[in-house]
Amino acid sequence: ETGVTQTPRHLVMGMTNKKSLKCEQHLGHNAMYWYKQSAKKPLELMFVYNFKEQTENNSVPSRFSPECPNSSHLFLHLHTLQPEDSALYLCASSQLIQGAGELFFGEGSRLTVL
Amino acid sequence: GNSVTQMEGPVTLSEEAFLTINCTYTATGYPSLFWYVQYPGEGLQLLLKATKADDKGSNKGFEATYRKETTSFHLEKGSVQVSDSAVYFCALVRGNDKIIFGKGTRLHILP
Repeated sequence: ETGVTQTPRHLVMGMTNKKSLKCEQHLGHNAMYWYKQSAKKPLELMFVYNFKEQTENNSVPSRFSPECPNSSHLFLHLHTLQPEDSALYLCASSQLIQGAGELFFGEGSRLTVL
Repeated sequence: GNSVTQMEGPVTLSEEAFLTINCTYTATGYPSLFWYVQYPGEGLQLLLKATKADDKGSNKGFEATYRKETTSFHLEKGSVQVSDSAVYFCALVRGNDKIIFGKGTRLHILP
């Protein structure tokens, strides 16, 4: 139990569906992150939020839409995805944005796009 | 720019063998260095860290020493167990920059 909870753990969706991934942290952290983990590729940082404000968007396609209503919750809204978007999506949080290097990860949401 | 290079996997060892996973880095200044581990079906978790040269991070029998002269942070364990089977990520952070992860090394321990 890392204090970061992601739901759902597994998601299968068609290319025309709209779905959302949810992340909740119970650690009192100020920064939250979305990472994409694909087979045989390095971890990809997608979005960073600090005190609910987006501070980084690493050229992520607009079919991925993040939302951070407060410091404890982070969503990733998905629409019109492509099969190559199939991956493990990891949420993480940290006390300070990036600098401490100590990220706490959730168990991930395994996404399959048909 | 800053980068991390770690040995390609998978690494396959027998139980009780000695483990070394190599990690070298490129960075200006004095980064902090980390090893994260990802067990099957889970997210990454911090295994150990070192924040300055010659520091040794240790946890769960794993050790890594921050070697500035060789820009390395190799992960070692004297006697691995089947439960150590996982993917191991070397990472660095410099100042307030974002954390940079290596590509990961998959470790298989055979009983």
